[in-house]
Amino acid sequence: AQSVTQLGSHVSVSEGALVLLRCNYSSSVPPYLFWYVQYPNQGLQLLLKYTSAATLVKGINGFEAEFKKSETSFHLTKPSAHMSDAAEYFCAVSNTNAGKSTFGDGTTLTVKP
Amino acid sequence: GAVVSQHPSWVICKSGTSVKIECRSLDFQATTMFWYRQFPKQSLMLMATSNEGSKATYEQGVEKDKFLINHASLTLSTLTVTSAHPEDSSFYICSASDPRANTEAFFGQGTRLTVV
Repeated sequence: AQSVTQLGSHVSVSEGALVLLRCNYSSSVPPYLFWYVQYPNQGLQLLLKYTSAATLVKGINGFEAEFKKSETSFHLTKPSAHMSDAAEYFCAVSNTNAGKSTFGDGTTLTVKP
Repeated sequence: GAVVSQHPSWVICKSGTSVKIECRSLDFQATTMFWYRQFPKQSLMLMATSNEGSKATYEQGVEKDKFLINHASLTLSTLTVTSAHPEDSSFYICSASDPRANTEAFFGQGTRLTVV
């Protein structure tokens, strides 16, 4: 069985500040890990994914995440927040690249001017 | 990335009627499609997995007679909510993948269903 825990259902940062969204996973097999962003009433957009290659993964819009097996973590970061980053972010785990995913509860990111 | 299109984007229906939601992969063959349900301010919950040409596999607690899934072609899967009730109102999202190509699953834009 797989599971994902996103610590902090709401994160608020100032524009230009560091964004850190936390994700811890549980998996009995080597995991595939994903971060998605969702804007209101829209589907999910893939930000980045880890598929057992480099542990530091760079994604779109300046986001990156680091896979740490010892900590079972896959935290998402961005050096400088933009107002347009305000959205819901989901971390997900799968046992394959193309398989079904288990999602965390999501983190709402608010960016203050 | 690949494009997955859902139709309609939103729909309002009366209690007791059925509504069909389509999920199409526009530029790749989706041998597998997933249907998720998302309540307001909540995460996505997998409802079922459908493989082209075979019966869908439903997650525990999902009524297969209530949520009919058809995946008759490599580019189209449909979810029919039968005898809809207000508690079925939700955001339904599909994703599609091609395990043969080992690409990640791509998500549709979602369908907002409101049952009145």
